[in-house]
Amino acid sequence: GIQVEQSPPDLILQEGANSTLRCNFSDSVNNLQWFHQNPWGQLINLFYIPSGTKQNGRLSATTVATERYSLLYISSSQTTDSGVYFCAVAASGTYKYIFGTGTRLKVLA
Amino acid sequence: DGGITQSPKYLFRKEGQNVTLSCEQNLNHDAMYWYRQDPGQGLRLIYYSQIVNDFQKGDIAEGYSVSREKKESFPLTVTSAQKNPTAFYLCASSIVGNSQHFGDGTRLSIL
Repeated sequence: GIQVEQSPPDLILQEGANSTLRCNFSDSVNNLQWFHQNPWGQLINLFYIPSGTKQNGRLSATTVATERYSLLYISSSQTTDSGVYFCAVAASGTYKYIFGTGTRLKVLA
Repeated sequence: DGGITQSPKYLFRKEGQNVTLSCEQNLNHDAMYWYRQDPGQGLRLIYYSQIVNDFQKGDIAEGYSVSREKKESFPLTVTSAQKNPTAFYLCASSIVGNSQHFGDGTRLSIL
């Protein structure tokens, strides 16, 4: 089945810094999402982005489907950005989502 | 307000007991999903359903069962055959082929 790898596994930033999180996947996909899991376990939908670029405030994401990767950019990070960031993909022709192992982000005040 | 409701928030199970986790959505989504998350890990798909009265196994379906009798409801039963049921269980729904939205989860523990 499709493999999903996220990097880096852990990231510590000072408040105000920028960061880039990466998601690599091993096969063609028809769905890709980025999520933020907060310390209470809630999963917040950040982007649905099987291809192209989207922006929402300080966050943006780019998926290059032909090269099988997606990037999540966080600018001017805040302590509330702390948590775990997951990407999830569904291979072409299915709606069976596979999650990556996540990037654990800690933003220091 | 539209959303996904999971209940209970915390659940305790005795050895040899079946328990059922509830997931209800009022978003009019066709697809619903159940995931399991172990501490420090990602989410793994247990079952998913794209339409009423139909569902498919995910990667870790053994020891679990589901039903989809109504569009808005997708309950998950953790059976006694699941030997390590302690985990965080998350339910999601989506329009088929579109973004998933999650409930707040149920934490299941063994007494």
